[in-house]
Amino acid sequence: DIQMTQSPSSLSASVGDRVTITCRASQSISTFINWYQQKPGKAPKLLISVASILQSGVPSRFSGSGSGTDFSLTISTLQPEDFATYYCQQSYSTPYTFGQGTKLEIK
Amino acid sequence: QVQLQESGPGLVKPSETLSLTCTVPGGPISSYYWSWIRQSAGKGLEWIGRVNPSGSTNYNPSLNSRLTMSVDTSKNHFSLKLSSVTAADTAVYYCVRHAAGSDAFDIWGPGTMVTVSS
Repeated sequence: DIQMTQSPSSLSASVGDRVTITCRASQSISTFINWYQQKPGKAPKLLISVASILQSGVPSRFSGSGSGTDFSLTISTLQPEDFATYYCQQSYSTPYTFGQGTKLEIK
Repeated sequence: QVQLQESGPGLVKPSETLSLTCTVPGGPISSYYWSWIRQSAGKGLEWIGRVNPSGSTNYNPSLNSRLTMSVDTSKNHFSLKLSSVTAADTAVYYCVRHAAGSDAFDIWGPGTMVTVSS
């Protein structure tokens, strides 16, 4: 199985900050990585697919980059509604696997 | 907007079979691949397996021997059966749709909590 390692596991930030979450794959996955946002008690929501494709309706302050084994999700200007847990997921091969999550908290 | 809805028992006894169904009101179920994903405090998000419109499946090897997934395009639903459950199978179970062409999970059901306990 491909292991996905996210960092940091938690992050404290303020409204207006720029934050970056990283994800490293245990082997090359080209650009087959997706990013999700999950709020308490809710299902995850797809934000970005194939490393950098912003999903319809997702604010442009979210962006993704990377290829091979190293990837990042950046939120350019944090808004109050962005405080949540974020997950990466590889869709390069089955079994599909997720990172352990990054909890973004208000400082 | 496509919506998914999981249904099934919330409580299953150890050694029994967990059975869940995901309904896709309005379909079309025949145009996409579908997966089940579960989330527990101990293991985070875990992909269980996927089924395509023709009924072909791919399962997570960690669950393969206990797992059966199927699809019924005439009823716009797909199903999960996990046998010989233990407390480790306690989780929130989500049914999800694969985005066309990327295998990202673009539509999620709200999730259903399944507890394994006697």
